[in-house]
Amino acid sequence: GAVVSQHPSRVICKSGTSVKIECRSLDFQATTMFWYRQFPKQSLMLMATSNEGSKATYEQGVEKDKFLINHASLTLSTLTVTSAHPEDSSFYICSARDLTSGEVTDTQYFGPGTRLTVL
Amino acid sequence: AQSVTQPDIHITVSEGASLELRCNYSYGATPYLFWYVQSPGQGLQLLLKYFSGDTLVQGIKGFEAEFKRSQSSFNLRKPSVHWSDAAEYFCPPSDQGGKLIFGQGTELSVKP
Repeated sequence: GAVVSQHPSRVICKSGTSVKIECRSLDFQATTMFWYRQFPKQSLMLMATSNEGSKATYEQGVEKDKFLINHASLTLSTLTVTSAHPEDSSFYICSARDLTSGEVTDTQYFGPGTRLTVL
Repeated sequence: AQSVTQPDIHITVSEGASLELRCNYSYGATPYLFWYVQSPGQGLQLLLKYFSGDTLVQGIKGFEAEFKRSQSSFNLRKPSVHWSDAAEYFCPPSDQGGKLIFGQGTELSVKP
């Protein structure tokens, strides 16, 4: 149980184009999903918290018009990198909180990540 | 503010040897504590978690961790390391809003 998928796993795009990354919780409902980016040999940096049915909450320094997040259902959140540039090239990882397990507290389960390369 | 420190950036152990990865956190109350493992180019896999109760927690793949309140530590241990354990390890605590606080991680290499 508690499986999170991401699609695509890899994407290469031209500078100036937009790229959409999907994050799905496959066997549980996730009212909250998180989006991270990770540079090589570095830790994860939280970009935003995605709440189902409401606007995402962005961390300081993250451009919300650049990184559009939509969480339209309890199993799907999307991150769209708009007008991508080479500096947006990174590893993007999502996670989902499983609040249906019956535990008092929640646990984040991570997707496999999406490698974005902007040429 | 909450923070976590993994003092060892890189550790190398021989296959079959025991392993201990250190993790120290700074938090006002007892946080929710996790250990995740990340293989190259992959997402993070949950190894174990601590919320309350027994301070020695068993996880998957033969890992365990012990919460020591007096030392603000949550070190990860494994009695016998396998080559497949080579990966990056993270021990993020969770803040009250459910956000994970990531430190720099510890890269584990395993010698044959």
